[in-house]
Amino acid sequence: AQSVTQLDSQVPVFEEAPVELRCNYSSSVSVYLFWYVQYPNQGLQLLLKYLSGSTLVKGINGFEAEFNKSQTSFHLRKPSVHISDTAEYFCAVSAGAAGNKLTFGGGTRVLVKP
Amino acid sequence: GAVVSQHPSRVICKSGTSVKIECRSLDFQATTMFWYRQFPKQSLMLMATSNEGSKATYEQGVEKDKFLINHASLTLSTLTVTSAHPEDSSFYICSALGQGATGELFFGEGSRLTVL
Repeated sequence: AQSVTQLDSQVPVFEEAPVELRCNYSSSVSVYLFWYVQYPNQGLQLLLKYLSGSTLVKGINGFEAEFNKSQTSFHLRKPSVHISDTAEYFCAVSAGAAGNKLTFGGGTRVLVKP
Repeated sequence: GAVVSQHPSRVICKSGTSVKIECRSLDFQATTMFWYRQFPKQSLMLMATSNEGSKATYEQGVEKDKFLINHASLTLSTLTVTSAHPEDSSFYICSALGQGATGELFFGEGSRLTVL
């Protein structure tokens, strides 16, 4: 079984400042890692994913994440946020194969202030 | 990209009635779909895995007689909340497994159920 921990439930940040959302996971097998964004009353949109290869993954909307196997982390970063980045962000893992069911973290609410 | 559509997006019903939520993959065939439930300000909890042409696989603690799942075609899965009660009020989200090696999941827009 796997689990995902998002250490920050809320992250307030000023517009144009950088942001980092932390995600740690545990699993007894190899995992695929994902970050999703959810805007109010909407489904989830994939920001980026790590399947294999380079540990630095670039996604949409200027986000990137780095897979660190030794620390079992997959932190999400953006160098300069916009008001429109205000949303809920979820880290997720699937074990063994990309199509397996996802286990989600508790989510981090990002509030971008002007 | 692939699109997954849920209908209805919002539904309000009286306690004791049944509600059906549809999840459609619009431009691809999905042999596997997943149903999640999300309470306010909480994460998504997997309820069940829906496989086309076979019975759904439910997660521990999810009542299969309460949450009926049917995956009758490669583009449609339905979730029926039977005899709904106020505690069933939630945001229900489906996802469909895309084809290909990476097997990316595509999520619907979600359906908010309010049981009075």
